[in-house]
Amino acid sequence: DTGVSQNPRHKITKRGQNVTFRCDPISEHNRLYWYRQTLGQGPEFLTYFQNEAQLEKSRLLSDRFSAERPKGSFSTLEIQRTEQGDSAMYLCASSPPGGLGTEAFFGQGTRLTVV
Amino acid sequence: ELKVEQNPLFLSMQEGKNYTIYCNYSTTSDRLYWYRQDPGKSLESLFVLLSNGAVKQEGRLMASLDTKARLSTLHITAAVHDLSATYFCAVVNSGYALNFGKGTSLLVTP
Repeated sequence: DTGVSQNPRHKITKRGQNVTFRCDPISEHNRLYWYRQTLGQGPEFLTYFQNEAQLEKSRLLSDRFSAERPKGSFSTLEIQRTEQGDSAMYLCASSPPGGLGTEAFFGQGTRLTVV
Repeated sequence: ELKVEQNPLFLSMQEGKNYTIYCNYSTTSDRLYWYRQDPGKSLESLFVLLSNGAVKQEGRLMASLDTKARLSTLHITAAVHDLSATYFCAVVNSGYALNFGKGTSLLVTP
């Protein structure tokens, strides 16, 4: 399967702990996005990378959140000092180089539960 | 701030019937996307609409875009159970961020 891969698929953590998620985009996709989805809602944009450069960040991305994409390949999203409100599905997507109309392909997501 | 509104949010329809899902957005955009999401699964891209008057069809689904009205529609023809899912529209305002609607949860019943 050459789709977008996310790990882990599920994560349960205690409030106050740090967690890190990984996303491996489709090969040769230079654009990578992180979204957060809560139950019954549409995905909310968090951040966007083009190659290794983080070009867009949402106001939702508080200082407890940090994302990286070293070498423009895989990406990590870290949440420090987790709160119960961070419980959500974290989705990664990637899209190929090209015009602005290229579609984004989503991974299966990482479901985070903060207890 | 770009707002994307879908209606209805919930839709129960009988197999064989036709129906339309509406997606309105608040600011100018010439890129609109439709995605499907099955329960517990990720999002599957259905359509990319890039210009005013664009119409795309795949099987029993047809999507259209009217950028002047800031409206997209997803029309379902002769619904079948396999179409039961949540459908999202998403709009790009500036940059590359997709702004999603809340989704339309569709249930097709016998």
